[in-house]
Amino acid sequence: GAGVSQSPSNKVTEKGKDVELRCDPISGHTALYWYRQSLGQGLEFLIYFQGNSAPDKSGLPSDRFSAERTGGSVSTLTIQRTQQEDSAVYLCASSSRGDRNKETQYFGPGTRLLVL
Amino acid sequence: AQSVTQLDSQVPVFEEAPVELRCNYSSSVSVYLFWYVQYPNQGLQLLLKYLSGSTLVKGINGFEAEFNKSQTSFHLRKPSVHISDTAEYFCAVSRTGTASKLTFGTGTRLQVTL
Repeated sequence: GAGVSQSPSNKVTEKGKDVELRCDPISGHTALYWYRQSLGQGLEFLIYFQGNSAPDKSGLPSDRFSAERTGGSVSTLTIQRTQQEDSAVYLCASSSRGDRNKETQYFGPGTRLLVL
Repeated sequence: AQSVTQLDSQVPVFEEAPVELRCNYSSSVSVYLFWYVQYPNQGLQLLLKYLSGSTLVKGINGFEAEFNKSQTSFHLRKPSVHISDTAEYFCAVSRTGTASKLTFGTGTRLQVTL
């Protein structure tokens, strides 16, 4: 079946503008994660959604970052008033609770964000 | 909290030679352990995982890893590498018992040459 998809694949924006990044998880996966990959910080956890539970936002670096997950499926990560240090690859992953693939997070190809 | 240490940032190796990529972790709770591979300009792909049971785990592409609880290690090995194995390899942990976030190491760049 289809894997995790993300759009856009690349995004160039100017400092101070808002951006929205989209993630379509694997159908039926109840958990969805956002990570950020940058040269200086490596791979960092940002936020995690599990079913109807309150999201774990403990990794969001500032209040300029927010995310939502509508209808338990698609998720949007929004960065307001972008800064140059926000330049990174934003990765989305999803997972299910089924025994066969328990605890395995499947990653999308990422969105490469460049803030000028 | 958990942390992961990958001591080697780069590992150069000749094709058909064996390789070991080292991973050590620190955690106050039980963890699951993972190795992911990232090819250039691509997302992360799961190589193998340890959840419970046998400490020797076999994954895709001929890779295997051994969980050593006393040494808190999860080193990745392959007996004979190919040019196509050139990529970035990430070790990661997550808390047991529930789906939870991954904590990653800084990655090891495996460079295979002829």
